[in-house]
Amino acid sequence: KAGVTQTPRYLIKTRGQQVTLSCSPISGHRSVSWYQQTPGQGLQFLFEYFSETQRNKGNFPGRFSGRQFSNSRSEMNVSTLELGDSALYLCASSLVPLWGDEQYFGPGTRLTVT
Amino acid sequence: GQQLNQSPQSMFIQEGEDVSMNCTSSSIFNTWLWYKQDPGEGPVLLIALYKAGELTSNGRLTAQFGITRKDSFLNISASIPSDVGIYFCAGQGSYSGAGSYQLTFGKGTKLSVIP
Repeated sequence: KAGVTQTPRYLIKTRGQQVTLSCSPISGHRSVSWYQQTPGQGLQFLFEYFSETQRNKGNFPGRFSGRQFSNSRSEMNVSTLELGDSALYLCASSLVPLWGDEQYFGPGTRLTVT
Repeated sequence: GQQLNQSPQSMFIQEGEDVSMNCTSSSIFNTWLWYKQDPGEGPVLLIALYKAGELTSNGRLTAQFGITRKDSFLNISASIPSDVGIYFCAGQGSYSGAGSYQLTFGKGTKLSVIP
């Protein structure tokens, strides 16, 4: 079956703009979690959605938000972009919340803020 | 916040050797996860651990949930070239209130295998 897909794969934005990233989970998976990966901070957990509800949230400012639709697809939005938001944004899907055994990551969206 | 210290940061080993890496913290975790990431790809979940003292294997990989719940170890036996990559540990901490659990990652161990 198809894996986790993320769109777009690459994105260049200007400081102050906003951006929306999309994640389509594996069919049947109802949990989607988002992560930011940078060389300096490494991997950091952003938030997790299950059945359209945000279940868990990391320590990121309110500029980072997300949502999940009834088909389990999820979007992540970053408003008022800052240079430090340049990163690889990863999403992962799983059957159950809280990072069950069957968790699969997408290839990520590489965001560059100039 | 919760922090994980993962070591070593990098290691070079000969093919066929065994590898050990670990993550430690001053905080208690309820779940430990180990991932491998290849260049240009998302991480792959290798092993999930849910109970203190638990020892779980996945092929040549073995991971343990430390008895104090503050550490975890990953061992790779008889390494092969495809083991090259970055290995991350992650710990799920206790309920932090406001309806949220936290997942904290180590900085990674970069493994190089010399044929």
